[in-house]
Amino acid sequence: DVKVTQSSRYLVKRTGEKVFLECVQDMDHENMFWYRQDPGLGLRLIYFSYDVKMKEKGDIPEGYSVSREKKERFSLILESASTNQTSMYLCASSLSRGRIQGDTQYFGPGTRLTVL
Amino acid sequence: LAKTTQPISMDSYEGQEVNITCSHNNIATNDYITWYQQFPSQGPRFIIQGYKTKVTNEVASLFIPADRKSSTLSLPRVSLSDTAVYYCLVGRGDSNYQLIWGAGTKLIIKP
Repeated sequence: DVKVTQSSRYLVKRTGEKVFLECVQDMDHENMFWYRQDPGLGLRLIYFSYDVKMKEKGDIPEGYSVSREKKERFSLILESASTNQTSMYLCASSLSRGRIQGDTQYFGPGTRLTVL
Repeated sequence: LAKTTQPISMDSYEGQEVNITCSHNNIATNDYITWYQQFPSQGPRFIIQGYKTKVTNEVASLFIPADRKSSTLSLPRVSLSDTAVYYCLVGRGDSNYQLIWGAGTKLIIKP
């Protein structure tokens, strides 16, 4: 089974802090994704990566950056956390670059981030 | 702008068939339609995917009409454990990859 793990289930940070969310997948998948999930808004894509050191902006990249130094690991960075970034953050991976639109995504359990 | 629209919530009873419809009027030729299920405190999980007509697997069926502007997820004989949020996703397959998620349908199954 594909396993996607996220570094924390719950995180509480203060406004202005730099926040790192880590995601690791164990199935040699090429694509990795970061989403945020808010009530009534569903999943919104922040960034995705289709290869090491490659990244593409999603729908809401403002206030976030990402890093993918190794194939299995994809990090989401909040340079200066703000209260409006309080949310559930979900990481996902999928197999191949060639057909992202049809790939099955495998999700981690999520990190609930609260920014005070 | 591409958009997927689905009902916010639905109720049904154990043993019934449940149909959840997603509208995606601006779907393009290379786009795929995928449905995911999410339980509380978990990430979404793949249920079924289709491109056109009908697809069936061991847990659900997916009906897509010829114009592909909507799709219907069908869950046969639901049980209490099917209570979850169901998401419709349109994956855009042109040069600019887009993943267009619906806002989710909260399905509550009653005994």
